[in-house]
Amino acid sequence: KAGVTQTPRYLIKTRGQQVTLSCSPISGHRSVSWYQQTPGQGLQFLFEYFSETQRNKGNFPGRFSGRQFSNSRSEMNVSTLELGDSALYLCASSPFAGVGVGETQYFGPGTRLLVL
Amino acid sequence: AQKITQTQPGMFVQEKEAVTLDCTYDTSDQSYGLFWYKQPSSGEMIFLIYQGSYDEQNATEGRYSLNFQKARKSANLVISASQLGDSAMYFCAMSPGANSKLTFGKGITLSVRP
Repeated sequence: KAGVTQTPRYLIKTRGQQVTLSCSPISGHRSVSWYQQTPGQGLQFLFEYFSETQRNKGNFPGRFSGRQFSNSRSEMNVSTLELGDSALYLCASSPFAGVGVGETQYFGPGTRLLVL
Repeated sequence: AQKITQTQPGMFVQEKEAVTLDCTYDTSDQSYGLFWYKQPSSGEMIFLIYQGSYDEQNATEGRYSLNFQKARKSANLVISASQLGDSAMYFCAMSPGANSKLTFGKGITLSVRP
């Protein structure tokens, strides 16, 4: 079974631009979560989508948004990029919502975003 | 709110020896899950092991075992027979029951020496 895939793997943007990252979950998985990883803040939860609905949201500004399609693929968008948005963006999928009850999240390889 | 604490800045272990990576957590939830992930330099987070808060036995997955001490709120990862490929960052994470939001610790760098 194919793992979680993320595209693109690397991205360079300039301040003020916007960017869209894509995540395809493991086949059959309906929950997709996004995380941001930076050296200073570590791994931080962005949001989770399940059945095309945002189920959870982390403490990020409204510039960060996402959506999920009927095939469970998800995209996240960052508008008006800032230097501090440079990070590794990780997507994770699980069969259902509710990791704490035993459904493990499986991560993709991530998208490295550099904002100049 | 949940909090994960990983205080070991970096660990070194000789190949074929066992190593313990520490993790303590704080939560007011009764039901929660504890996870360990490995992150090589490539960046991908690799799931290693899971422990549920109501599981009475410690979880094991091959060379990985989780030393779960609920009263002390600790969930240490034990890697037996270390291999060179085990060199990576290791993250402890938790999630409250029925919630997919993972809270991660700062991570521990493990270096395996030949």
